[in-house]
Amino acid sequence: ETGVTQTPRHLVMGMTNKKSLKCEQHLGHNAMYWYKQSAKKPLELMFVYSLEERVENNSVPSRFSPECPNSSHLFLHLHTLQPEDSALYLCASSQGMNGAKAFFGQGTRLTVV
Amino acid sequence: TQLLEQSPQFLSIQEGENLTVYCNSSSVFSSLQWYRQEPGEGPVLLVTVVTGGEVKKLKRLTFQFGDARKDSSLHITAAQPGDTGLYLCAGDPHSGYALNFGKGTSLLVTP
Repeated sequence: ETGVTQTPRHLVMGMTNKKSLKCEQHLGHNAMYWYKQSAKKPLELMFVYSLEERVENNSVPSRFSPECPNSSHLFLHLHTLQPEDSALYLCASSQGMNGAKAFFGQGTRLTVV
Repeated sequence: TQLLEQSPQFLSIQEGENLTVYCNSSSVFSSLQWYRQEPGEGPVLLVTVVTGGEVKKLKRLTFQFGDARKDSSLHITAAQPGDTGLYLCAGDPHSGYALNFGKGTSLLVTP
């Protein structure tokens, strides 16, 4: 139990599908993040939410749409993805917005076919 | 973005050996974290260092933050197969909202 739970763990979707990734944190943190991890690249920050308000969108294509209905839940809605979007998508949470001492979920391994 | 360079990129050693991995930057960080990530899993936080020159020990792992707070090292004594994984360093930037990550050092410890 890491305190941050992501579902599903694995997802295969076609380029015309719509799917959503879910993240839930049980740590009482006030900031949540989506990261993308691709092979041979550093973790790439996608979105930051603080107190349910998006504070950063790191030049992410509009085919990725985040949603934060409350401080414990974060979603990433996916539509018309490309094969190059295949990656491990990681959710994290922290107390405070600078990401220090961020705790990560186990990730969703996404494959776009 | 403040870049973090980790070296070596890959390391394969035998059980019982010692090793050191490095995390370097030209930028100053407020703090630096080390994570270990196993295949198919998310990164797990190992330690946070915040003071220049700080040394922290976690069982067989020793973490050091450089005096200028631009670099860090992780030393593992008597490595075990359970130490296998991707070791990531991440710096807490003075500006911006989230950690800057290095590409990681992939460690394989064989029995």
